[in-house]
Amino acid sequence: GAVVSQHPSWVICKSGTSVKIECRSLDFQATTMFWYRQFPKQSLMLMATSNEGSKATYEQGVEKDKFLINHASLTLSTLTVTSAHPEDSSFYICSAWDYLDEQYFGPGTRLTVT
Amino acid sequence: GNSVTQMEGPVTLSEEAFLTINCTYTATGYPSLFWYVQYPGEGLQLLLKATKADDKGSNKGFEATYRKETTSFHLEKGSVQVSDSAVYFCALTRGGADGLTFGKGTHLIIQP
Repeated sequence: GAVVSQHPSWVICKSGTSVKIECRSLDFQATTMFWYRQFPKQSLMLMATSNEGSKATYEQGVEKDKFLINHASLTLSTLTVTSAHPEDSSFYICSAWDYLDEQYFGPGTRLTVT
Repeated sequence: GNSVTQMEGPVTLSEEAFLTINCTYTATGYPSLFWYVQYPGEGLQLLLKATKADDKGSNKGFEATYRKETTSFHLEKGSVQVSDSAVYFCALTRGGADGLTFGKGTHLIIQP
């Protein structure tokens, strides 16, 4: 099956700093990627849809100025958490759509803001 | 909006027991339905899917049937194994390049 990677797998940053998370589709091109957020023992919540070469579409309640998404190529999307605060600590998961009605998920990135 | 409701866990069963995890949904139109599994320390994996009413998705002994009349997509397995221990998520999408709406997940624990 298709493989999606995320980097880093775990990151700790200080409050007020920014952190970038990369999502790559390794063996297929993905015009569309998605970013989800998962709180402990809770479900995944869609944050935004990332389209190559255009602006991301954010879900209601997601601050676009805090969670910057860039989809510069057909295999790479990045999520930058700007001016991170402890409440941004979470598990961030990306997925890539393969045009066949299936999304392939990355392994996730655990962000801890101290 | 769209929503998915699935039974809360954890669900604890003995090996070889019959498994049912209930999932119901609310959505406009005709969504595609999915079950994803998340093993400890790993990413989400697609377990099975169904894209239209009365379709049955199946994989690794798991089955689920798309029931539009009851807006349900219950997951079943006739005989579970310890290796099935994981968190199972029911999800839907309107299709194409739309994101997934997930249920809260059900933690399944199989005891030998």
